[in-house]
Amino acid sequence: NAGVTQTPKFRVLKTGQSMTLLCAQDMNHEYMYWYRQDPGMGLRLIHYSVGEGTTAKGEVPDGYNVSRLKKQNFLLGLESAAPSQTSVYFCASSEGGYTGELFFGEGSRLTVL
Amino acid sequence: GDSVTQMEGPVTLSEEAFLTINCTYTATGYPSLFWYVQYPGEGLQLLLKATKADDKGSNKGFEATYRKETTSFHLEKGSVQVSDSAVYFCALKDTNAGKSTFGDGTTLTVKP
Repeated sequence: NAGVTQTPKFRVLKTGQSMTLLCAQDMNHEYMYWYRQDPGMGLRLIHYSVGEGTTAKGEVPDGYNVSRLKKQNFLLGLESAAPSQTSVYFCASSEGGYTGELFFGEGSRLTVL
Repeated sequence: GDSVTQMEGPVTLSEEAFLTINCTYTATGYPSLFWYVQYPGEGLQLLLKATKADDKGSNKGFEATYRKETTSFHLEKGSVQVSDSAVYFCALKDTNAGKSTFGDGTTLTVKP
Protein backbone atom coordinates (compact mmCIF):
# COMPACT_ATOMS: atom_id res chain seq x y z
CA ASN A 1 0.00 0.00 0.00
CA ALA A 2 2.15 2.88 -1.30
CA GLY A 3 -0.03 5.88 -0.35
CA VAL A 4 1.87 9.04 -1.32
CA THR A 5 5.28 8.64 -2.95
CA GLN A 6 7.75 11.47 -3.57
CA THR A 7 10.81 11.39 -5.81
CA PRO A 8 13.61 12.19 -5.45
CA LYS A 9 14.20 11.93 -1.68
CA PHE A 10 17.34 14.08 -1.75
CA ARG A 11 18.76 16.52 -4.25
CA VAL A 12 21.54 19.09 -4.30
CA LEU A 13 21.33 21.92 -6.85
CA LYS A 14 23.44 24.89 -7.77
CA THR A 15 21.88 28.33 -7.86
CA GLY A 16 20.06 28.85 -11.14
CA GLN A 17 19.51 25.17 -11.95
CA SER A 18 16.04 23.78 -12.49
CA MET A 19 14.41 20.61 -11.23
CA THR A 20 11.08 18.85 -10.80
CA LEU A 21 9.75 16.99 -7.79
CA LEU A 22 7.24 14.27 -8.52
CA CYS A 23 4.41 13.25 -6.22
CA ALA A 24 2.23 10.21 -6.90
CA GLN A 25 -0.76 8.97 -4.90
CA ASP A 26 -2.71 5.75 -5.30
CA MET A 27 -5.76 6.62 -3.18
CA ASN A 28 -7.79 8.30 -5.92
CA HIS A 29 -7.79 11.57 -3.98
CA GLU A 30 -9.05 14.71 -5.67
CA TYR A 31 -6.96 17.17 -3.66
CA MET A 32 -3.18 17.36 -3.71
CA TYR A 33 -0.80 19.81 -2.04
CA TRP A 34 2.82 20.84 -1.92
CA TYR A 35 4.23 22.18 1.37
CA ARG A 36 7.66 23.27 2.45
CA GLN A 37 8.94 22.77 5.98
CA ASP A 38 11.57 25.05 7.44
CA PRO A 39 12.90 25.05 11.02
CA GLY A 40 10.60 26.92 13.40
CA MET A 41 8.11 27.79 10.65
CA GLY A 42 5.82 24.80 10.49
CA LEU A 43 4.48 23.84 7.09
CA ARG A 44 3.71 26.46 4.48
CA LEU A 45 1.50 25.74 1.48
CA ILE A 46 3.17 26.38 -1.88
CA HIS A 47 0.53 25.28 -4.40
CA TYR A 48 -2.42 22.95 -4.39
CA SER A 49 -4.86 21.27 -6.76
CA VAL A 50 -8.52 20.44 -6.33
CA GLY A 51 -8.64 18.05 -9.28
CA GLU A 52 -7.00 16.92 -12.49
CA GLY A 53 -6.04 19.87 -14.66
CA THR A 54 -6.44 22.45 -11.88
CA THR A 55 -3.84 24.28 -9.79
CA ALA A 56 -3.95 27.19 -7.37
CA LYS A 57 -1.46 29.30 -5.41
CA GLY A 58 -0.90 28.79 -1.74
CA GLU A 59 0.87 30.91 0.83
CA VAL A 60 4.38 30.93 -0.71
CA PRO A 61 4.08 30.27 -4.48
CA ASP A 62 6.84 32.52 -5.83
CA GLY A 63 9.64 30.68 -7.62
CA TYR A 64 7.61 27.48 -8.04
CA ASN A 65 5.32 26.08 -10.70
CA VAL A 66 3.07 23.04 -10.60
CA SER A 67 1.11 20.80 -12.93
CA ARG A 68 -1.61 18.18 -12.43
CA LEU A 69 -1.97 16.51 -15.81
CA LYS A 70 -3.08 13.21 -14.28
CA LYS A 71 -5.22 12.79 -11.18
CA GLN A 72 -2.63 10.66 -9.41
CA ASN A 73 0.38 12.92 -10.05
CA PHE A 74 1.28 16.42 -8.88
CA LEU A 75 4.58 17.93 -10.06
CA LEU A 76 6.45 20.77 -8.39
CA GLY A 77 8.98 22.64 -10.51
CA LEU A 78 11.74 25.06 -9.62
CA GLU A 79 12.64 27.07 -12.70
CA SER A 80 15.76 28.79 -11.32
CA ALA A 81 16.72 27.51 -7.89
CA ALA A 82 17.80 29.93 -5.17
CA PRO A 83 19.44 29.24 -1.78
CA SER A 84 16.20 30.43 -0.11
CA GLN A 85 14.51 27.36 -1.58
CA THR A 86 16.66 25.02 0.49
CA SER A 87 14.03 23.15 2.46
CA VAL A 88 12.22 19.88 2.98
CA TYR A 89 9.27 19.54 0.63
CA PHE A 90 6.21 17.48 1.44
CA CYS A 91 3.47 16.38 -0.87
CA ALA A 92 0.08 15.49 0.55
CA SER A 93 -3.30 14.37 -0.72
CA SER A 94 -6.80 14.23 0.70
CA GLU A 95 -10.37 13.52 -0.16
CA GLY A 96 -12.56 16.50 -1.04
CA GLY A 97 -14.21 18.60 1.64
CA TYR A 98 -12.97 19.89 4.96
CA THR A 99 -13.17 16.80 7.16
CA GLY A 100 -10.67 14.55 5.42
CA GLU A 101 -7.16 14.34 6.78
CA LEU A 102 -4.00 14.84 4.75
CA PHE A 103 -1.87 11.88 3.76
CA PHE A 104 1.78 12.86 3.46
CA GLY A 105 4.75 11.56 1.54
CA GLU A 106 8.07 11.02 3.26
CA GLY A 107 9.51 14.30 2.08
CA SER A 108 12.18 15.51 -0.36
CA ARG A 109 15.20 17.31 1.05
CA LEU A 110 16.49 19.93 -1.36
CA THR A 111 19.71 21.87 -0.89
CA VAL A 112 20.54 24.79 -3.16
CA LEU A 113 24.18 25.90 -3.06
CA GLY B 1 -7.05 34.62 7.35
CA ASP B 2 -6.91 31.36 9.26
CA SER B 3 -4.16 30.80 11.80
CA VAL B 4 -3.04 28.22 14.35
CA THR B 5 -0.96 29.02 17.43
CA GLN B 6 0.78 26.23 19.26
CA MET B 7 2.52 26.08 22.58
CA GLU B 8 6.16 26.82 22.03
CA GLY B 9 8.65 24.03 22.51
CA PRO B 10 10.70 22.10 22.95
CA VAL B 11 9.02 20.11 25.69
CA THR B 12 10.99 17.56 27.71
CA LEU B 13 9.21 15.12 30.02
CA SER B 14 10.06 12.03 31.99
CA GLU B 15 8.39 8.75 31.06
CA GLU B 16 4.86 8.38 32.53
CA ALA B 17 4.45 12.15 32.96
CA PHE B 18 1.26 13.96 31.88
CA LEU B 19 1.41 15.83 28.59
CA THR B 20 -0.47 18.92 27.46
CA ILE B 21 0.32 20.79 24.25
CA ASN B 22 -1.81 23.87 23.82
CA CYS B 23 -3.34 24.84 20.48
CA THR B 24 -5.62 27.75 19.67
CA TYR B 25 -6.96 28.78 16.30
CA THR B 26 -8.53 31.61 14.35
CA ALA B 27 -10.89 30.81 11.51
CA THR B 28 -13.75 32.54 9.74
CA GLY B 29 -15.87 29.44 9.21
CA TYR B 30 -16.33 26.13 11.00
CA PRO B 31 -13.11 24.24 10.42
CA SER B 32 -12.12 20.69 11.20
CA LEU B 33 -9.21 20.37 13.64
CA PHE B 34 -6.34 17.91 13.51
CA TRP B 35 -3.24 16.82 15.36
CA TYR B 36 -0.47 15.35 13.23
CA VAL B 37 2.72 13.70 14.47
CA GLN B 38 6.09 13.61 12.71
CA TYR B 39 8.70 11.08 13.75
CA PRO B 40 12.34 11.75 12.83
CA GLY B 41 13.01 11.47 9.11
CA GLU B 42 9.38 10.82 8.24
CA GLY B 43 6.41 12.69 6.87
CA LEU B 44 3.50 13.81 9.01
CA GLN B 45 0.78 11.37 9.89
CA LEU B 46 -2.62 11.91 11.41
CA LEU B 47 -2.81 11.40 15.16
CA LEU B 48 -6.44 12.43 15.76
CA LYS B 49 -9.11 14.79 14.51
CA ALA B 50 -12.42 16.43 15.39
CA THR B 51 -14.83 17.85 12.85
CA LYS B 52 -17.34 19.79 14.95
CA ALA B 53 -17.64 21.59 18.25
CA ASP B 54 -17.47 19.44 21.41
CA ASP B 55 -16.17 16.43 19.46
CA LYS B 56 -13.32 14.56 21.12
CA GLY B 57 -10.67 12.95 18.99
CA SER B 58 -8.59 10.13 20.48
CA ASN B 59 -5.89 7.72 19.39
CA LYS B 60 -2.99 5.85 21.04
CA GLY B 61 -3.86 7.35 24.45
CA PHE B 62 -3.86 10.93 23.11
CA GLU B 63 -7.01 13.05 23.32
CA ALA B 64 -8.14 16.51 22.20
CA THR B 65 -11.54 18.22 22.45
CA TYR B 66 -12.81 20.79 19.94
CA ARG B 67 -13.74 23.82 22.08
CA LYS B 68 -15.49 26.42 19.96
CA GLU B 69 -16.05 28.84 22.84
CA THR B 70 -12.31 29.08 23.55
CA THR B 71 -11.19 28.28 19.95
CA SER B 72 -8.88 25.60 21.30
CA PHE B 73 -7.85 22.02 20.59
CA HIS B 74 -5.33 21.09 23.28
CA LEU B 75 -3.56 17.73 23.03
CA GLU B 76 -3.30 15.60 26.18
CA LYS B 77 -1.92 12.24 27.19
CA GLY B 78 -2.00 10.83 30.69
CA SER B 79 1.28 8.91 30.62
CA VAL B 80 3.86 9.50 27.90
CA GLN B 81 6.37 6.95 26.68
CA VAL B 82 9.82 7.31 25.15
CA SER B 83 8.28 6.27 21.82
CA ASP B 84 6.06 9.39 21.89
CA SER B 85 9.12 11.56 21.22
CA ALA B 86 8.28 13.41 18.01
CA VAL B 87 7.13 16.75 16.62
CA TYR B 88 3.41 17.47 17.03
CA PHE B 89 1.49 19.79 14.72
CA CYS B 90 -1.93 21.26 15.29
CA ALA B 91 -3.83 22.08 12.10
CA LEU B 92 -7.17 23.25 10.85
CA LYS B 93 -8.88 22.62 7.55
CA ASP B 94 -11.33 25.22 6.41
CA THR B 95 -14.32 25.02 4.14
CA ASN B 96 -12.57 26.83 1.29
CA ALA B 97 -11.02 24.27 -1.05
CA GLY B 98 -10.01 22.12 1.90
CA LYS B 99 -6.77 23.98 2.55
CA SER B 100 -5.02 23.19 5.81
CA THR B 101 -3.24 25.67 8.08
CA PHE B 102 -0.56 24.37 10.43
CA GLY B 103 0.97 25.55 13.67
CA ASP B 104 4.74 25.77 13.96
CA GLY B 105 5.03 22.38 15.65
CA THR B 106 6.05 21.37 19.17
CA THR B 107 8.99 19.05 19.71
CA LEU B 108 8.43 16.53 22.49
CA THR B 109 11.27 14.56 24.02
CA VAL B 110 10.47 11.87 26.57
CA LYS B 111 13.34 10.63 28.73
CA PRO B 112 13.38 7.22 30.40
